[in-house]
Amino acid sequence: ETAVFQTPNYHVTQVGNEVSFNCKQTLGHDTMYWYKQDSKKLLKIMFSYNNKQLIVNETVPRRFSPQSSDKAHLNLRIKSVEPEDSAVYLCASSYGTGGGETLYFGSGTRLTVL
Amino acid sequence: GDSVTQTEGPVTVSESESLIINCTYSATSIAYPNLFWYVRYPGEGLQLLLKVITAGQKGSSRGFEATYNKETTSFHLQKASVQESDSAVYYCALGGASSSFSKLVFGQGTSLSVVP
Repeated sequence: ETAVFQTPNYHVTQVGNEVSFNCKQTLGHDTMYWYKQDSKKLLKIMFSYNNKQLIVNETVPRRFSPQSSDKAHLNLRIKSVEPEDSAVYLCASSYGTGGGETLYFGSGTRLTVL
Repeated sequence: GDSVTQTEGPVTVSESESLIINCTYSATSIAYPNLFWYVRYPGEGLQLLLKVITAGQKGSSRGFEATYNKETTSFHLQKASVQESDSAVYYCALGGASSSFSKLVFGQGTSLSVVP
């Protein structure tokens, strides 16, 4: 049963364009995340929010910016995409912020940059 | 830094055979790591298979088992008899101490195919 919803599923764009991805969770969790899965299938965290506050901000290019309107929504905007941004972007949520928390993932947004 | 290394895939196993997917970790900045196995079945999202937050303990789910071995820094996933429905991509992951803000560090994933 899906409880973390991501849109769109796929997006194809050209270098230099701006894209936005949406994520919503209906689990009542306080914490949400964005992970990037690259072409080698490596999963790496990008950002984490707790109750709309940014708590984890890994070293990502400045063209990436997360946006949280409330604790159930976490969007990701990429200004001026580059070819290396082609990847699957996974949104996740958890009840708390501790290292033992279970993450619940969405199905992902596959971005292709031409 | 913190890292996780697991069996290179793809792995192909015959139905009813035993399986082990190796996972070793390095937790240089985490004093008390928590260890996880996540799984992605075909057409589904990534989901938790099992987790263990105490060294020396064993976790189990869906016939899979993994023991948190602090001495060998390992968390190998095992199943005595696999089924076709176990075909999926398995990810070992490392998390920080339960009382701290933390993030999961994932291994590279191991693709498993179970054939009849």
